[in-house]
Amino acid sequence: AQSVTQLGSHVSVSEGALVLLRCNYSSSVPPYLFWYVQYPNQGLQLLLKYTSAATLVKGINGFEAEFKKSETSFHLTKPSAHMSDAAEYFCAVTAGGNQFYFGTGTSLTVIP
Amino acid sequence: DTEVTQTPKHLVMGMTNKKSLKCEQHMGHRAMYWYKQKAKKPPELMFVYSYEKLSINESVPSRFSPECPNSSLLNLHLHALQPEDSALYLCASSQVGTGDEKLFFGSGTQLSVL
Repeated sequence: AQSVTQLGSHVSVSEGALVLLRCNYSSSVPPYLFWYVQYPNQGLQLLLKYTSAATLVKGINGFEAEFKKSETSFHLTKPSAHMSDAAEYFCAVTAGGNQFYFGTGTSLTVIP
Repeated sequence: DTEVTQTPKHLVMGMTNKKSLKCEQHMGHRAMYWYKQKAKKPPELMFVYSYEKLSINESVPSRFSPECPNSSLLNLHLHALQPEDSALYLCASSQVGTGDEKLFFGSGTQLSVL
């Protein structure tokens, strides 16, 4: 079985500061891991995906995530927050097939 | 074309109405999904179609009836809904069996049941 846990339902950062959103996974098989972003009144947009090709994954909008098997983590980071990064962020996992499991989400607020 | 298109964007319906949500993709994806999302919550899986056949039904009430007329289209027929069914309904699609499965989402239909 697969699952993800997102620590911190709300994160606030100042504009220009480091963004760190936490995700830990549980999987009985090598997982595929994802980060999605959702802006108000919109669908989810894929930021990045881990598929075991490389442990550091670069995504869109300057985001990246590092897969750490020893810590079962897949945290999302961005060196410098921008006002436009304010959104809801979801971590997700699948072992393949059609079953995707989402975390409970982290709401990111960027303070000017 | 990497879009999943959902119509309508907004829908208000009474508890005795019948309405349908529509979803379309032209990426050649053979899996299509319906998710329900309440505000500030993660998407909840409702149905999955794989190769136009219903493969997953997450114990969804029968007042929601999915349909997959072809590999590009997915419908969700609504009948006798309850106010608690008000939510954002998201359609998604993905490849199947390639090892590169990832969900592409539409922008959703915001449904209000009065």
